[in-house]
Amino acid sequence: QSVLTQPPSASGTPGQSVTISCSGTSSSIGSNSVNWYQQVPGTAPKLLISINNQRPSGVPDRFSGSKSGTSASLAISGLHSADEADYYCAAWDDSLNGPVFGGGTKLTVL
Amino acid sequence: EVQLVESGGGLVQPGGSLRLSCAASGFIFSSYEMNWVRQAPGKGLEWVSYISGSDNTIYYADSVKGRFTISRDNAKNSLYLQMNSLRAEDTGVYYCAKYGVPEQWGQGALVTVSS
Repeated sequence: QSVLTQPPSASGTPGQSVTISCSGTSSSIGSNSVNWYQQVPGTAPKLLISINNQRPSGVPDRFSGSKSGTSASLAISGLHSADEADYYCAAWDDSLNGPVFGGGTKLTVL
Repeated sequence: EVQLVESGGGLVQPGGSLRLSCAASGFIFSSYEMNWVRQAPGKGLEWVSYISGSDNTIYYADSVKGRFTISRDNAKNSLYLQMNSLRAEDTGVYYCAKYGVPEQWGQGALVTVSS
């Protein structure tokens, strides 16, 4: 069981928007910033969002992140078929003294 | 450009040992905290171990505490994970990752624990 809670699946049609949630605790998301990753099966995770809402160079502005209290969200607008992947949230946990991850959300573009 | 390249994975019997290495380049390695993160087949990401840039602070997940040892050689820009008393549930892809909450990841090294 993962420390951060994400829905196992999400879906949308091309052009639509989708939001993926990530729920944590006071010692994880409540006290620290959140990263989001995209992982295509068989490849390494790729950083999408850092420090709650910062996009690294090269990440389209269709991807955005937000955080409130002990929860965070990843929003993807203008869905492309290439967005089909697994998405993970992560945050440092002050109680566990390490980064904790969500269980991952499989995004399907119908 | 940041590059992290893992090596040392392979097939090992239960109870055996394996040492993973991660060669880092493209950044001042000694200035950055590093992690090992693993992913079992078809499963999500699981943090394994953390080490600070100076080597003074080390943390482990409970699942590997007492069996795995993380270390680094800043002169060689390298990160290591010594894995002893391996179990079937340790099977997966092991990633080295830069930063306390990872930002850059290596391509991964596959570890298979099976008889």
